[in-house]
Amino acid sequence: AQSVSQHNHHVILSEAASLELGCNYSYGGTVNLFWYVQYPGQHLQLLLKYFSGDPLVKGIKGFEAEFIKSKFSFNLRKPSVQWSDTAEYFCAVPLGRSGNTPLVFGKGTRLSVIA
Amino acid sequence: NAGVTQTPKFQVLKTGQSMTLQCAQDMNHEYMSWYRQDPGMGLRLIHYSVGAGITDQGEVPNGYNVSRSTTEDFPLRLLSAAPSQTSVYFCASRGSGNTQYFGPGTRLTVL
Repeated sequence: AQSVSQHNHHVILSEAASLELGCNYSYGGTVNLFWYVQYPGQHLQLLLKYFSGDPLVKGIKGFEAEFIKSKFSFNLRKPSVQWSDTAEYFCAVPLGRSGNTPLVFGKGTRLSVIA
Repeated sequence: NAGVTQTPKFQVLKTGQSMTLQCAQDMNHEYMSWYRQDPGMGLRLIHYSVGAGITDQGEVPNGYNVSRSTTEDFPLRLLSAAPSQTSVYFCASRGSGNTQYFGPGTRLTVL
């Protein structure tokens, strides 16, 4: 089964700083990749997803992620963070190679943006 | 569309009590899942279903039962609650392309 690792447990940034959150998955082949965001007290919302094609995908709120097949990575980036980006971010992949499997998630990265 | 709905939003149980967390979706999605979220652990998959009448275990199924008698509903049953089951529970459903939509969550405390 697939697994996901996120490298950073807690990241603290000042407003306008650039963000990069790491995500690695366990094996290759055709893979769908997701980033979800959870704002304080809320449920998870889809930030962006990669299925195929251009490895640089753009999501909502200025976020983007790059799929690097050779590194099994799907890092999340944002050029300039805002206080409202304070949230927890989760990387996810399907549990198995079959399409009939739910997503499994990394442990999450908590982002705190300070003024 | 309401999307994915969960009830109750909050629940307090005593050790040994049983209860059912309700989940419903109105998007005609085949795939539904239950997760629990604990600090520092991310979301862990409890059970999932790929269609009515079909369920399977996830990473942490012990102490939980599920059934899927209709496409819309996917209840999660705690048979005999334990303090280790104190958590936030999220139900999710999936449409095309593996994108999952989450419910608002149920915060459960077991004393």
